[in-house]
Amino acid sequence: KAGVTQTPRYLIKTRGQQVTLSCSPISGHRSVSWYQQTPGQGLQFLFEYFSETQRNKGNFPGRFSGRQFSNSRSEMNVSTLELGDSALYLCASSYATGGAYNEQFFGPGTRLTVL
Amino acid sequence: GQNIDQPTEMTATEGAIVQINCTYQTSGFNGLFWYQQHAGEAPTFLSYNVLDGLEEKGRFSSFLSRSKGYSYLLLKELQMKDSASYLCAVNEDSNYQLIWGAGTKLIIKP
Repeated sequence: KAGVTQTPRYLIKTRGQQVTLSCSPISGHRSVSWYQQTPGQGLQFLFEYFSETQRNKGNFPGRFSGRQFSNSRSEMNVSTLELGDSALYLCASSYATGGAYNEQFFGPGTRLTVL
Repeated sequence: GQNIDQPTEMTATEGAIVQINCTYQTSGFNGLFWYQQHAGEAPTFLSYNVLDGLEEKGRFSSFLSRSKGYSYLLLKELQMKDSASYLCAVNEDSNYQLIWGAGTKLIIKP
């Protein structure tokens, strides 16, 4: 079974631009979560989508948005990029249909650099 | 509020044993995960605890005490490849969202 894939792997943008990142979950997984990771900050939760609906949202400004398609693929968009948005953006998928076991499977991440 | 605490960094010697602690305060509890993350790579699943006690899996063991809001990851017979960050995450039962600690960077010295 193929793992979680993310595209692109690396991205360089300038301040003020916008960016769209893509994530394809493991087949059969309906939940996709997005995280931002910066050195020393750990994983900061952005949002989670389940069956095309945003089910949870972290404490990020409205410049960060996302969506999920009917095939569970998800995209994340960041508008008006700032230098502080430079980070590794990780996508994780899971079954997340209920119950205690909610193991998340991570993609390789997209390394975003804002100049 | 929600809070998960782990030591920022630990150093250990190859062949030795190291224990990485995680304490949590969350509004609900429905399981605790440990993940390993090598530099520049994605986190990978190590262990899961939902009941009190010790879960052993090869060189790695994870312990949970729900009454104390405490878990630890025990790594035995340390190898250089164990140098990585170890992330603790709690599954709150309210919204399926995992709450993550900042991670513990483990440095293994020869």
